[in-house]
Amino acid sequence: GEDVEQSLFLSVREGDSSVINCTYTDSSSTYLYWYKQEPGAGLQLLTYIFSNMDMKQDQRLTVLLNKKDKHLSLRIADTQTGDSAIYFCAESLTGGFKTIFGAGTRLFVKA
Amino acid sequence: NAGVTQTPKFRVLKTGQSMTLLCAQDMNHEYMYWYRQDPGMGLRLIHYSVGEGTTAKGEVPDGYNVSRLKKQNFLLGLESAAPSQTSVYFCATDELDGDTEAFFGQGTRLTVV
Repeated sequence: GEDVEQSLFLSVREGDSSVINCTYTDSSSTYLYWYKQEPGAGLQLLTYIFSNMDMKQDQRLTVLLNKKDKHLSLRIADTQTGDSAIYFCAESLTGGFKTIFGAGTRLFVKA
Repeated sequence: NAGVTQTPKFRVLKTGQSMTLLCAQDMNHEYMYWYRQDPGMGLRLIHYSVGEGTTAKGEVPDGYNVSRLKKQNFLLGLESAAPSQTSVYFCATDELDGDTEAFFGQGTRLTVV
């Protein structure tokens, strides 16, 4: 069945890089997303990658996609305390309205 | 531009009570969704709508009903609340294309005692 898995916690020091990993099961995914949820707020889209891409970079964010292994990662360079949040990996199976979310990875950034 | 607004933000219900959560969007999006967020389980889709007057079941629809009488509003109803429905509920909207962003409301924290 469809499933998106990610580790629940990650702790890094301020200034280090953070890497959040995600695996998904459905090879027919068209888009893969990273959403950020700050405390008491809804989810906000950070970045997304189309399934025929291997990498996407956007300022401090780098998304890597290994389609063969169905593995997606989000790298945050120079992690700041403001990056502390829950990060959700998600896959879209039919171009939009069926999106499967992972359980979220809570990122702790230590000063 | 308010985006997606959910009301109420917090609510405590007794078992068996009913309530309606309102989601309002001002982006003219066709698609609207209700999710519940539980610890360690990510977001699970309850119901969704692909346009005014339409509704469809998601992954966990039991115990909930929805209505989309107006394009900008998507209502989630609990007819007889149960403790298992204690959760944080999120409304979201987007368009059909997968490369567009889904916009989320701030969430409704519901506790059923």
